[in-house]
Amino acid sequence: EDQVTQSPEALRLQEGESSSLNCSYTVSGLRGLFWYRQDPGKGPEFLFTLYSAGEEKEKERLKATLTKKESFLHITAPKPEDSATYLCAVQNAGGTSYGKLTFGQGTILTVHP
Amino acid sequence: KAGVTQTPRYLIKTRGQQVTLSCSPISGHRSVSWYQQTPGQGLQFLFEYFSETQRNKGNFPGRFSGRQFSNSRSEMNVSTLELGDSALYLCASSLVVGAYEQYFGPGTRLTVT
Repeated sequence: EDQVTQSPEALRLQEGESSSLNCSYTVSGLRGLFWYRQDPGKGPEFLFTLYSAGEEKEKERLKATLTKKESFLHITAPKPEDSATYLCAVQNAGGTSYGKLTFGQGTILTVHP
Repeated sequence: KAGVTQTPRYLIKTRGQQVTLSCSPISGHRSVSWYQQTPGQGLQFLFEYFSETQRNKGNFPGRFSGRQFSNSRSEMNVSTLELGDSALYLCASSLVVGAYEQYFGPGTRLTVT
């Protein structure tokens, strides 16, 4: 069974204080790893897809990296508007699992001005 | 381009009743997935529809069902509601079944009393 574990559960940062969020996963065959951002009362907003170990993607202050066992979401010089819950999900390459995303519990990020 | 829309946004029902939630995918997207989000279990996959056929199903009881129409719009139904069904129900659309990126709607907040 696919499993995704995110750490820490919550992270408080000062504006400009860079840090990283971790996503450890277990999957029989990885088709893709996804990062989403979710604001309170809203649906998850797609950020990145990573397909293979060694891959990196960037968007503004966010950079996602992938290894064979985990992914990191690096936040550089965060701003208060980066405060949200960040969700990691995996998609199994197995035929019967197509389309199904398995999510972690998320990391609640709070950035103080 | 309009995003995924879900109706209604909020719903209060009584135990034993049934409920129908609606989802309209992004224009051109033909696959719709449904997820349940609760504080305790996080985001869990319910099912995925493509070309009016259920392609994948999560581990939920038969009280949870869905369907997709020829215009790709989808509905999910929960019969004999239980208190534990209180959750945010999220719909996600993608271009085709098993596509890498899934884009989420704002969700329907269901409260069962």
